Amino acid sequence: DGGITQSPKYLFRKEGQNVTLSCEQNLNHDAMYWYRQDPGQGLRLIYYSQIVNDFQKGDIAEGYSVSREKKESFPLTVTSAQKNPTAFYLCASGRTDTGELFFGEGSRLTVL
Amino acid sequence: GQQVMQIPQYQHVQEGEDFTTYCNSSTTLSNIQWYKQRPGGHPVFLIQLVKSGEVKKQKRLTFQFGEAKKNSSLHITATQTTDVGTYFCAGLGSTLGRLYFGRGTQLTVWP
Repeated sequence: DGGITQSPKYLFRKEGQNVTLSCEQNLNHDAMYWYRQDPGQGLRLIYYSQIVNDFQKGDIAEGYSVSREKKESFPLTVTSAQKNPTAFYLCASGRTDTGELFFGEGSRLTVL
Repeated sequence: GQQVMQIPQYQHVQEGEDFTTYCNSSTTLSNIQWYKQRPGGHPVFLIQLVKSGEVKKQKRLTFQFGEAKKNSSLHITATQTTDVGTYFCAGLGSTLGRLYFGRGTQLTVWP
């Protein structure tokens, strides 16, 4: 099946711990994105990458880090520097020319 | 910076009533896209509008792109309970590959 796979679906973390969210796509898309969703806030862009080994900060990059070593993979690390990490995280991939996005099912992170 | 504003934030309608959500951008957009997110789900692409003044229909859904390519609307005729969810607009701006999302309109339909 073609699509975007995010894991884990649910994750609990203690304060002060880093956590990495996985995102894999087999749609052969160049562009990949990470969004954060909080109730009533819509989708806020954390990081995006349009090509392997390159990525750009979005609107709320502080406290997060990413890598893009392979076209298929764009993992997101939520570091201990992120002050309010509890949220729903969505990964997406898409075509660079039109911007149409395909989303994964999301990862819900809860910090205890 | 570039922004896409979307109103209303919430809309509650009775089944059979119409529904409209509006998007407005501070700058001209290359295209505008609409997504639907069901409760507990992830956003799913509905449609893309590219041309100035473009109108597209999908059954009971009508999408419009303004003449200046700065605003858009989604209209649902005779809502059904299956229409429940949050509708997002997203504009493709001047930065290649960068979509700017509105905050979404959460639609509730009661029978």
